[in-house]
Amino acid sequence: QVQLVQSGAEVRKPGASVKVSCKASGYSFTSYYIHWVRQAPGQGLEWMGIINPSGGSASYAQRFQGRVTLTTDASTSTVYMELSSLRSEDTAVYYCAKEMIAPSHLDYWGQGTLVTVSS
Amino acid sequence: DIQMTQSPSSLSASVGDRVTITCRASQRIDTYLSWYQQKPGKAPKLLIYAASNLQTGVPSRFSASGSGTDFTLTISNLQPEDFASYHCQQTYSTPWTFGQGTKVEIK
Repeated sequence: QVQLVQSGAEVRKPGASVKVSCKASGYSFTSYYIHWVRQAPGQGLEWMGIINPSGGSASYAQRFQGRVTLTTDASTSTVYMELSSLRSEDTAVYYCAKEMIAPSHLDYWGQGTLVTVSS
Repeated sequence: DIQMTQSPSSLSASVGDRVTITCRASQRIDTYLSWYQQKPGKAPKLLIYAASNLQTGVPSRFSASGSGTDFTLTISNLQPEDFASYHCQQTYSTPWTFGQGTKVEIK
């Protein structure tokens, strides 16, 4: 069965970086894009970016440009999301999600990773 | 960016009620619209894709419709496990924006 398993909770100080992993299984890893979405406490869902695991090309939401980097390791079927220059407003649960195409939608989600930014 | 506006932001309902949530896009998105259910502390779960297609395994009391800019999600015969938050998302163009969510609470 399809699974996306994310790394555990992280605590960082303002200005630091964090790297969250998302390990996929149960499907052909390089055939489906992976998206990242975050949710601040008590807030709605916010789309951050997308990566093509075949080749590694990525696209980011404008507000995260320059701070977020998505990478992929096909040998381990893992996608990584690195967010730099962290500030308190980046405290959120970060989710990876698999895209099903034609028509596009996010059919499987990771369990989420809480990133807390606090001095 | 395409803005998605959901209403209401919250509602109270009883078991057995029929509930309707609306989602409006700031520009036409054809039927590139998904609906998700989210329970506290859990990841979103896909309910509906392409505006009206029920995801496999989702109960038939969930239905949705719409095209262009206006969309609705309807839950018929509300069950205890349906008390949750619901989010719409456009997948017409990146960034794939979400509505602000609707919390369905027990009356």
